[in-house]
Amino acid sequence: KQEVTQIPAALSVPEGENLVLNCSFTDSAIYNLQWFRQDPGKGLTSLLLIQSSQREQTSGRLNASLDKSSGRSTLYIAASQPGDSATYLCAVSISGNTPLVFGKGTRLSVIA
Amino acid sequence: GAVVSQHPSWVICKSGTSVKIECRSLDFQATTMFWYRQFPKQSLMLMATSNEGSKATYEQGVEKDKFLINHASLTLSTLTVTSAHPEDSSFYICSARDARESTDTQYFGPGTRLTVL
Repeated sequence: KQEVTQIPAALSVPEGENLVLNCSFTDSAIYNLQWFRQDPGKGLTSLLLIQSSQREQTSGRLNASLDKSSGRSTLYIAASQPGDSATYLCAVSISGNTPLVFGKGTRLSVIA
Repeated sequence: GAVVSQHPSWVICKSGTSVKIECRSLDFQATTMFWYRQFPKQSLMLMATSNEGSKATYEQGVEKDKFLINHASLTLSTLTVTSAHPEDSSFYICSARDARESTDTQYFGPGTRLTVL
């Protein structure tokens, strides 16, 4: 059974810092991996999707890497801003038509 | 990108009543939709897989007679929480897969917050 773990569970940083969020999964036979952002009481916003054949994806200040063989992904946020404060969820799927398995998330607080 | 809507966005009901939540794919057809549940400060947990024109597949521990799922069209799936109780209070989120995309991306609805008094 696929399990996804995210470390740390919570993180508080001053504005402007670069930070890394970690995600690990137990079964390396994944189809893709996604990073989401969730604001309190809200739904999910997809940030980045990495196919199993890819090593990384970038969008603005965000960069996600994937090391499928070791079962790890990282989300790098550059020059953090207070508006980045949210919970970041990592999720994997084993095929295109299967549900996602989510980690518990990392709650990020960026202090102005 | 594709859009998935949910209705209602929030609902408060008395214990024992039934609540229906709709999940719609607005600009694409979805043969498969997924229903997730999220308790406070927890992650999303899959409840069931909804397949158009056939019975839903439920995860272990999810009562199919309590959480009725109907996927009657390629753009609509409904989740009915029957005889809701306070422990059913949660955030319910659906997702739909856009098969047109080569990445098989799943798009998530904005969620429905259910509070059972």
